Parts: sequence; structure tokens; C-alpha cells
Amino acid sequence: TVLTQSPGTLSLSPGEGATLSCWASRSLCSSCLAWYQQKPGQAPRLLIYNTSSRATGIPDRFSGSGSGTDFTLTISRLEPEDFAVYYCQQYYSLPRTFGQGTKVEI
Amino acid sequence: EVQLLESGGGLVQPGGSLRLSCAASGFTFSSHTMTWVRQAPGKGLEWVSSISVADTFYTDSVMGRFTISRDNSKDTLYLQMNSLRAEDTAIYYCVKWRYYGDSWGQGTLVTVSS
Repeated sequence: TVLTQSPGTLSLSPGEGATLSCWASRSLCSSCLAWYQQKPGQAPRLLIYNTSSRATGIPDRFSGSGSGTDFTLTISRLEPEDFAVYYCQQYYSLPRTFGQGTKVEI
Repeated sequence: EVQLLESGGGLVQPGGSLRLSCAASGFTFSSHTMTWVRQAPGKGLEWVSSISVADTFYTDSVMGRFTISRDNSKDTLYLQMNSLRAEDTAIYYCVKWRYYGDSWGQGTLVTVSS
């Protein structure tokens, strides 16, 4: 299953909202998608699992939604620490696959 | 607190072998699926292999060359990598896995080059 993320880069300012998209090449189960955040030189960190459940310690400005082939990560108001690369990952089928990433930059 | 500490990365020639290790702590290692995810320099994430209580899974590009294993008595995950190719160059992350990665190590760099 190929995951395509858009846009490739999102240029925003702190305080603005961000909408990141992830499209799957085939329909996924409604709760088979996760989102990660990765900062330079760091390992990825789980943000969202089961499409819309926030991982432990993730602030509520992060939310996930979607079904079928279209999924979205929304950041309601960007904080300076949110500028990073975001990846989606599906776990509906093997092999597990990731999107190519969306960079959120200032 | 979950901790995952990878080791064993380094520089190896094409065709060579390397074994990665991941020492786990802070959770019941034997009960969890574990996974290796890699990231080539400047690129995205790629799932490589997973091991559950009873099964192993691999991405096609490493099938027959890589072997994932675990020692539950030592809370340690392994990845034996043989017949290494330049395209295997990447940071390899050890990940505690529940269909998705809920805890990640800091990674170990594998460079395949002559």
C-alpha cells in the first residue's frame, strides 16, 4: 500500500493552523493509520494511532481524522517546537508502509 | 520508562555482514512485537522487519539477507544483516511495535561502502 503525503513542504508561522494529508493507494480500515513527528537528528515520535487517538503526552492541538483512502493530521495552532517532518504509516497490510513525509517549516 | 539502546552499526564493505543489537528495558519485552525501521540519509522511513511472539516478517528487499531474532532472557532484539548493499546504508531504529511504533530507540548508523 503506497501512502502519498501532501504537501511536501508547508511554510507557516507560529500560531497558524496546519493541515497535512495522507492518501492511501487502497482503502484502509478506519483505524489503521498512525502519524509521527521527527525533528532533525532525533528518532520519530508517535503522535497519533488508530487514525485519531493521541499518544501519551501529545498535546490536544494535534488531531487526526479520516477513513478509506484519505487521512488528515491537523495542528490547530503551531508552536515553535512543532516545526518538524511528519510521516503517516499504515498498518492495514504488509509490508507496513510510510508516507514520504511533510516538512512543516517556518 | 521504555528504553531501547541500539548498537552494532558501523562501516562495512558491500557483500559484508553486520549484526545489530537492541537492549530493551522498562517494559515486558517478551510480550511485545519488536521491529526494525530504517532511514537512509536524507530520506524517509522504511519498515524493515518485525518479530512477534511467534512470527517474523520482512520487507521484500531484505528477505533472504536479513534475519531478525530476539533473546527474551536478555531483553534483546537482533538484526543479522548479510550480503549488504550500498542501498542498505541507513540509520536503523529499534522500535517497540503495536502495529505502529510507540517507542523508538535513537538508532545506529550502518554504512555500506568500499
